[in-house]
Amino acid sequence: SAVISQKPSRDICQRGTSLTIQCQVDSQVTMMFWYRQQPGQSLTLIATANQGSEATYESGFVIDKFPISRPNLTFSTLTVSNMSPEDSSIYLCSVDGLTSGSHSTQYFGPGTRLTVL
Amino acid sequence: DAKTTQPNSMESNEEEPVHLPCNHSTISGTDYIHWYRQLPSQGPEYVIHGLTSNVNNRMASLAIAEDRKSSTLILHRATLRDAAVYYCILRDGVEGDKIIFGKGTRLHILP
Repeated sequence: SAVISQKPSRDICQRGTSLTIQCQVDSQVTMMFWYRQQPGQSLTLIATANQGSEATYESGFVIDKFPISRPNLTFSTLTVSNMSPEDSSIYLCSVDGLTSGSHSTQYFGPGTRLTVL
Repeated sequence: DAKTTQPNSMESNEEEPVHLPCNHSTISGTDYIHWYRQLPSQGPEYVIHGLTSNVNNRMASLAIAEDRKSSTLILHRATLRDAAVYYCILRDGVEGDKIIFGKGTRLHILP
């Protein structure tokens, strides 16, 4: 299994500012994923982050708005840039378990609850 | 990605079995069927997964139809702590690394 921590756990921000969310894993993992969960909704995948390469973004998400860093195999950051109230969501990171692929287990962090005023 | 269809919500009484259905009529031969659940104010957690055969673990059982076009998550004896949103997800053999969530089923447990 993998234990994931996220910082901050929650924040209230002003529109136009940026927030960087950190994700720390207790073991080395190849792939990390960032999700957004808007109020009352399901999770939406933002991007996949591999160490040593640029993140791969899903349709509707762009690097300028959600830059991601992946400096090593246990850590990643997601920045929410130039925030607006529509960015108010829970942001979660996740990792694959010991193996990756269609038969592996993913582990999720507790999430960062962001409110933009 | 192949899609799944689940009821929006279900209710069950405490200490009774719960059968959560999922339809995935466009499943491909290499897709694994995964179930995750999200308890209130928490990130999703893995429940169970399978390919063709029925699977059991300490949390639940997964019954997969012979044609694999549907599956059922079985909680043998629901408790109040099982109240959550349950997601049925297909992870394909090509892009199996990422999980795409559908809307899931919100399970209410009645005391």
